[in-house]
Parts: sequence; C-alpha cells; structure tokens
Amino acid sequence: RKEVEQDPGPFNVPEGATVAFNCTYSNSASQSFFWYRQDCRKEPKLLMSVYSSGNEDGRFTAQLNRASQYISLLIRDSKLSDSATYLCVVNGVLTGGGNKLTFGTGTQLKVEL
Amino acid sequence: DAGITQSPRHKVTETGTPVTLRCHQTENHRYMYWYRQDPGHGLRLIHYSYGVKDTDKGEVSDGYSVSRSKTEDFLLTLESATSSQTSVYFCASGRSSGANVLTFGAGSRLTVL
Repeated sequence: RKEVEQDPGPFNVPEGATVAFNCTYSNSASQSFFWYRQDCRKEPKLLMSVYSSGNEDGRFTAQLNRASQYISLLIRDSKLSDSATYLCVVNGVLTGGGNKLTFGTGTQLKVEL
Repeated sequence: DAGITQSPRHKVTETGTPVTLRCHQTENHRYMYWYRQDPGHGLRLIHYSYGVKDTDKGEVSDGYSVSRSKTEDFLLTLESATSSQTSVYFCASGRSSGANVLTFGAGSRLTVL
C-alpha cells in the first residue's frame, strides 16, 4: 500500500462547478498535511495547509480526518485557471531534522468552458 | 528573481556517463532536498541536507550522491547514469522543518539514453 493515495483522475468539470478530491495516508504518526498544486511541467507550489479543524482560503476548503487518515480538498466555483494536478502531501520529520514529505501521485483537474 | 534555481534545466546523456545537477538558493535556507518525479509515482526523496556538509539518504538514494559545501549550493551526482534515472529532478529548500515554507526549483529534466 502506498503511503499516500489519491485518485489520479482526470476530473473534467465545467467552469463554475464544485469539485472534491480525497486522499488517504497510511502513517498514523504523520504530523502535518498539505495540498500542493502542480501545473504541467512546472514545480509543485504550496496551495494550503490542512488542519483538523478545517480551513478555508477563498474558494478552497481543506479538511483532515485523523481518525480515518483522510484528507480532502474542495474547490468551489471552479475556474479555468484551476486546471492543474493537485498533490496531497503528508509531512513527518527526517533524522537530521527537516521535512520528510511524502507525496501522493496527484489528482488531475481539467476545468472546461 | 527566483529564490532557487536549478541547472541544467534539460540534459540528455548516455548510459554510464557521470552527471551533476546543481541547485542554488539565495534564501539562506538551512534545509535542501533533491526529489525525482516519475509517472505513476509521487515525488520521491533522493537525498537531503540539514546544513553545510550534513547530508542523509532519502528513500531512493541508490546510484546518487550529494554534496553541500556552501549553504546556497546542493549538488546531485549520478556517478554512472542508467536509463532508470531518466526523470525530472526537483530541488527544494526550506528554512525550518515546516513544509509550508518549502520552495521548489523549476526542475531538471534528465534523459539517459
């Protein structure tokens, strides 16, 4: 079983739609959680952190369920510019300090006119 | 101006040749990382550094070595490149152990023939 699992998609949605992505992780000791966005042939960029209480940033809402080891991302009112791959990222700690980021393979979103 | 740059951005080489990828950051970040990204896999950690001359292995370190002689530079070396090392390589840096401050370079696309 992969440490972080995501549905690869693609999710093809019309502009204005609401779309949700899910992610599960296997290491119950994981400390923090993130969603990154990656455009085609570009580097990953942090979209938002994910907290147990849930957090919102504009049209984006992230949720964490530690008991079920499950992370979600909800995008409301999808824009064409939201088309990208969304990476679920789970963070532990490396031996020397620093981040042990474990990445999911990503979920591809295509927003269409 | 990009805070983290990678060079070369693209390279084609032959099996058995040595290859060095360079990562340069101007953020004075303590932590630096090398990842590879392949279809069907998330980004996977190759090696990381938690200070000058302090490095350690990640999950896919076989066939790779690294060096960090200055805070700003982190080199990844393939001593004898193989076709299985054809990939996109991303460098990242962070000032602390929080993944929400991790910055990625634009990536280096390596093809080993």
